[in-house]
Amino acid sequence: DAKTTQPTSMDCAEGRAANLPCNHSTISGNEYVYWYRQIHSQGPQYIIHGLKNNETNEMASLIITEDRKSSTLILPHATLRDTAVYYCIVRAYGGATNKLIFGTGTLLAVQP
Amino acid sequence: DGGITQSPKYLFRKEGQNVTLSCEQNLNHDAMYWYRQDPGQGLRLIYYSQIVNDFQKGDIAEGYSVSREKKESFPLTVTSAQKNPTAFYLCASSIGKESYEQYFGPGTRLTVT
Repeated sequence: DAKTTQPTSMDCAEGRAANLPCNHSTISGNEYVYWYRQIHSQGPQYIIHGLKNNETNEMASLIITEDRKSSTLILPHATLRDTAVYYCIVRAYGGATNKLIFGTGTLLAVQP
Repeated sequence: DGGITQSPKYLFRKEGQNVTLSCEQNLNHDAMYWYRQDPGQGLRLIYYSQIVNDFQKGDIAEGYSVSREKKESFPLTVTSAQKNPTAFYLCASSIGKESYEQYFGPGTRLTVT
C-alpha cells in the first residue's frame, strides 16, 4: 500500500471550512483514498473514500487531483466537535487482509 | 442499536499476568480486527479474522492470542510474553474482506505495571 504524508496539525475557526491535505505520490491505479478520524480516546470513524472522482457525503467532501498524487478532505462548516486526528489512508480494494495502515494523521483543532 | 462493544474501558494488570480483552459486535459482520495504538502513533494490526473459526496474524501478533468461536465475538488475550503491553486496544469489524469501511469499538486502555 502506498504511503501518505499529512501535516502534523492544523487550526480552523468554527464555522469555516477545514481543508486537510494529503500527499500520496506513489499511489497505484487500483488504490483508493480513505479518510478516517479519531476523536480523543475513541475508536476511529470512517468519513469518506474515493478512487479518482471527487466524492461528497453528509460529513465531508473529498477532492482528488487529476494525477491522483494528492487529495484534500473538506469539512464545509467545522464545529468544535470536529476536533480530532484525521487519517488519510491509501489501500487497494479488498486484498488479503483488508488491513488499514494508519499513519500519525493530522490533528485538526477547531477554535471557537 | 447496532455496534461494537469493548469492555472494560480501562484495565489494570500486574506484569506477568495474562489478560483478555472483550470485543462483541451485533452488526452481523464476517470480518473482525484487533489494533493496537501507542501514544501519538497510528494503529497497528495485531490479528484479524475473516470468518468464524479462522484468524490470521497481523503485523505485531507476538505476545497476543485470539479466538473466533462465534461470529459476534473476537476476544484478544494479551499474554505475559508481550514485552510492552500497555497501550490502547481497538477492535473493529467489517461486512467482509472486500468492505470499504471498518467500524471501530470505543477501545480498551490497558495499563500493565
